Amino acid sequence: GAVVSQHPSWVICKSGTSVKIECRSLDFQATTMFWYRQFPKQSLMLMATSNEGSKATYEQGVEKDKFLINHASLTLSTLTVTSAHPEDSSFYICSARVQDGYTFGSGTRLTVV
Amino acid sequence: AQSVTQPDIHITVSEGASLELRCNYSYGATPYLFWYVQSPGQGLQLLLKYFSGDTLVQGIKGFEAEFKRSQSSFNLRKPSVHWSDAAEYFCAVGDGGGGNKLTFGTGTQLKVEL
Repeated sequence: GAVVSQHPSWVICKSGTSVKIECRSLDFQATTMFWYRQFPKQSLMLMATSNEGSKATYEQGVEKDKFLINHASLTLSTLTVTSAHPEDSSFYICSARVQDGYTFGSGTRLTVV
Repeated sequence: AQSVTQPDIHITVSEGASLELRCNYSYGATPYLFWYVQSPGQGLQLLLKYFSGDTLVQGIKGFEAEFKRSQSSFNLRKPSVHWSDAAEYFCAVGDGGGGNKLTFGTGTQLKVEL
């Protein structure tokens, strides 16, 4: 089946630095990628939708200058958390639309210290 | 706007007992409905989905769900729970249209007592 590989699985960074999270579609072309954020013991909140070759569409309340999304190819989408702060610590998950639904990456645990 | 409600935050069942997790949705047209399971620190695994057709849907791991339009529900069921089923379960609705966005419920944490 369609697989999305997400890296890194976890990352610890210092406050003020930037972190990049990658999602690669391994055996299909991901025209559309969704990025979610999940706080501990809470649901997934959609942050943005990215389409290959165009600007991402951000959900209301999501800072597009802080969470930079790039979808330059049909197999790679990246989320960069810029100038990270402790409140950005969370679990980030990507998802791609596939023929019969959606497939999800395994998630990235970001801890900002 | 579409929305999903999972009324039960936590459920505890004994191994071997039956299980039903509730899900109610709000959507203007025929929804695309999903159930996902998440283990701690992991991504989401699809259990089953409903797009159209037979309203009783069979999924993996012995799970099934029934779409009831009149009740705006898509409850997940399993006849006999195994200890390995302990996890977080999310119901989601997709708009099926151009946006294709998924909206998730708040999740139900399932604990299985041995």
